[in-house]
Amino acid sequence: AQTVTQSQPEMSVQEAETVTLSCTYDTSENNYYLFWYKQPPSRQMILVIRQEAYKQQNATENRFSVNFQKAAKSFSLKISDSQLGDTAMYFCASAPYNTDKLIFGTGTRLQVFP
Amino acid sequence: GAVVSQHPSRVICKSGTSVKIECRSLDFQATTMFWYRQFPKQSLMLMATSNEGSKATYEQGVEKDKFLINHASLTLSTLTVTSAHPEDSSFYICSASPGTGGESRYTFGSGTRLTVV
Repeated sequence: AQTVTQSQPEMSVQEAETVTLSCTYDTSENNYYLFWYKQPPSRQMILVIRQEAYKQQNATENRFSVNFQKAAKSFSLKISDSQLGDTAMYFCASAPYNTDKLIFGTGTRLQVFP
Repeated sequence: GAVVSQHPSRVICKSGTSVKIECRSLDFQATTMFWYRQFPKQSLMLMATSNEGSKATYEQGVEKDKFLINHASLTLSTLTVTSAHPEDSSFYICSASPGTGGESRYTFGSGTRLTVV
């Protein structure tokens, strides 16, 4: 069974600073995807970044990047130059390659202060 | 980009009645759709996986007779909460995927807040 663990219930960062959100996972699959989703107060789930486990290169999307450590089963999200609009819940998720079944972590509430 | 429409966004119903929630993929064919439930300040819990033209696969602990899922076409899945009770009040979210592996994407609907009174 897959599990995803986010050990930081809440984080805060000042605008323009950098923050890292932690995520660890456990899976018996060899091929899988990892995701970070953002859920703002509107509760719409927004895909932030996606990593394919067979790719060694860390995914990057503008100010968002990941540190994917496959052996350690770690998948942290770094947000650079934090903006007020980044304030949201952030969920880490994983899915085996042969299904589309997403398993979510418990989330980290990020507050960006001016 | 892929768009998933979920309707209604909010619904209030009386205890004992049934409520239907629709999830539509607007610009792609969704082989698989997923239904999640989210309690306040908690994570998304997968309820069931629905595949077009076949019976839904329910997660452990989810009552299939209470949460009826129909995936009659490649663009529409419905979740019906039957004989709703106040404890069914929650935020329900669907997601849709065009397929497995490769460039699969997971797009979420905007959610439905169900309140049973």
